[in-house]
Amino acid sequence: DIQMTQSPSSLSASIGDRVTITCRASQDISNYLAWYQQKQGKAPKSLIFAASSLQSGVPSKFSGSGSGTDFTLTISSLQPEDFATYYCQQYSSHPLTFGGGTKIEIK
Amino acid sequence: EVQLVESGGGLVQPGGSLRLSCAASGFTFSRHAMHWVRQAPGRGLEYVSAISSSDGSTYYGDSVKGRFTISRDNFKNMLYLQMGSLRPDDTAVYYCAREALGTAVDYWGQGTLVTVSS
Repeated sequence: DIQMTQSPSSLSASIGDRVTITCRASQDISNYLAWYQQKQGKAPKSLIFAASSLQSGVPSKFSGSGSGTDFTLTISSLQPEDFATYYCQQYSSHPLTFGGGTKIEIK
Repeated sequence: EVQLVESGGGLVQPGGSLRLSCAASGFTFSRHAMHWVRQAPGRGLEYVSAISSSDGSTYYGDSVKGRFTISRDNFKNMLYLQMGSLRPDDTAVYYCAREALGTAVDYWGQGTLVTVSS
């Protein structure tokens, strides 16, 4: 199975900060990488697919990059509604696997 | 509007069985692969199972293989997860999710809670 490692597991940031989260795959997954946002007590929301393509309706402050084994999710200017937990997931091969999550908290 | 509505969750004893359902609407259900993802209390997301749109191929996470069975009814626009030999560590919110054509999950249901306890 492909292991997905996210870092950091949590971070504190201020409104307006630029934030970057990293996700590393244990083997080459090309660009078969998705990012999801989950707010407390809510279902996940899909943000990005194919490493860098925004899902419909997702604001452009979110961006993704990477290919192969190393990927990043960047939020250009953190807003109150962005405080949540973010997960990466590889869909290169079954079983699909998630990273452990990165929780963004208010500083 | 795409809608995914899970049902069937509840309290079940260890060793018991439960069937989850997911009612899909707002899209051509038969064209999309579908997934089950779960989240134990205070934990991260865990892939459970998926079923293809075309040939009905099924896939399972290691922790549920041999105990859970995914299926779909394209006439009723329904996705199912038959869960057996349930254990306390199967306690979680179970989400139904739609896979966009050839890519990643794009829509999620609201989830249904399964509690395995005596």
